[in-house]
Amino acid sequence: EPEVTQTPSHQVTQMGQEVILRCVPISNHLYFYWYRQILGQKVEFLVSFYNNEISEKSEIFDDQFSVERPDGSNFTLKIRSTKLEDSAMYFCASSNTRQEEPGYTFGSGTRLTVV
Amino acid sequence: SQQGEEDPQALSIQEGENATMNCSYKTSINNLQWYRQNSGRGLVHLILIRSNEREKHSGRLRVTLDTSKKSSSLLITASRAADTASYFCATSGAGSYQLTFGKGTKLSVIP
Repeated sequence: EPEVTQTPSHQVTQMGQEVILRCVPISNHLYFYWYRQILGQKVEFLVSFYNNEISEKSEIFDDQFSVERPDGSNFTLKIRSTKLEDSAMYFCASSNTRQEEPGYTFGSGTRLTVV
Repeated sequence: SQQGEEDPQALSIQEGENATMNCSYKTSINNLQWYRQNSGRGLVHLILIRSNEREKHSGRLRVTLDTSKKSSSLLITASRAADTASYFCATSGAGSYQLTFGKGTKLSVIP
């Protein structure tokens, strides 16, 4: 069964450093997303990406965040200057449709720890 | 935002029993989805129900949606130890790309 692959699975970074989280969505999917889950809290939407541009973003997705689909297969999330509160599990997801079955396929996540 | 809130927060049952989890939300939705998350892992899509549907089945799963009460329920019949996980509802509004998740119900199925 096709999977969304995320790398790395764990990342520890110093506060103020830039990090890039990588994702390989399912190849024939058209919509791409980043979500995050701070420990013990809800899964929160960050951004959606369609047709090579951001289609929607949340208040969390400020100027410190950016996304890119550099080569038609990878989908990256960059955090320019990490803060302690950016520590969370970051999930990439992709879908073939926006509002229909089979829903979204999520990756296993990257656990980001900012120290 | 379409906020999903599940209850109970935690549920512990014996293997073979049925598990029912509920979800409430605040605003109108286009669809409601249920996801499962094993500890420290990603989210797995279970089922999607559209706003014009009232009930949907998939294997041992039964989902209901009551848009007048802004609520949904997920029933897992004949539970198994492998069903132990957290279950989240997530809502999506018309014209929106994002899913809004609830806090989840942590289900423990005791063998």
